[in-house]
Amino acid sequence: GAGVSQSPSNKVTEKGKDVELRCDPISGHTALYWYRQSLGQGLEFLIYFQGNSAPDKSGLPSDRFSAERTGGSVSTLTIQRTQQEDSAVYLCASSAGTGRSGQPQHFGDGTRLSIL
Amino acid sequence: AQTVTQSQPEMSVQEAETVTLSCTYDTSESDYYLFWYKQPPSRQMILVIRQEAYKQQNATENRFSVNFQKAAKSFSLKISDSQLGDAAMYFCAYRSKGGGADGLTFGKGTHLIIQP
Repeated sequence: GAGVSQSPSNKVTEKGKDVELRCDPISGHTALYWYRQSLGQGLEFLIYFQGNSAPDKSGLPSDRFSAERTGGSVSTLTIQRTQQEDSAVYLCASSAGTGRSGQPQHFGDGTRLSIL
Repeated sequence: AQTVTQSQPEMSVQEAETVTLSCTYDTSESDYYLFWYKQPPSRQMILVIRQEAYKQQNATENRFSVNFQKAAKSFSLKISDSQLGDAAMYFCAYRSKGGGADGLTFGKGTHLIIQP
């Protein structure tokens, strides 16, 4: 079946612009995660959605970052007033259950974001 | 908070040989999951192997096996009969089984080079 789909694959934008990154999880997966992968920081957890529960935003680096998940499926990560340090690969993952269940997370190919 | 440490930024091995990648972690929890993910240049994170902390037996998946030492908080990955397709970044990851943030905590990664 189809895996986690992310778009766009690459995004180049000017500093100060807003960007939206999209994630389409595996059908039926209730949990959805966003991570950021940068050279200096490695892989960082950003935000987690589980079903209809309030998201866990504990990893968001600033209030310029937000995410929503509509209808328990597609998710959008929005970065407002982008800064050069936001340049990174943004990875989305989904899983059939939470950490307690041990269901593995399945990752998309990521969006490479470059801020000029 | 949990931390994951991969002390080998890069490893090189001859094709068909065996290589071991190191991972240590720090946690106050007694039950959790540990994972090894592979990330080829395509960027997609691919699950290699998973271990549940309460299971004594080391996980094995074909040519991939782990040496899980819970008391030492060590979780190394052994790749036998290395193949050119094994070349990638390898990430060790921790996931809590209890409450709290459900995201994965990753190490910085080890770049594995396969010499033909």
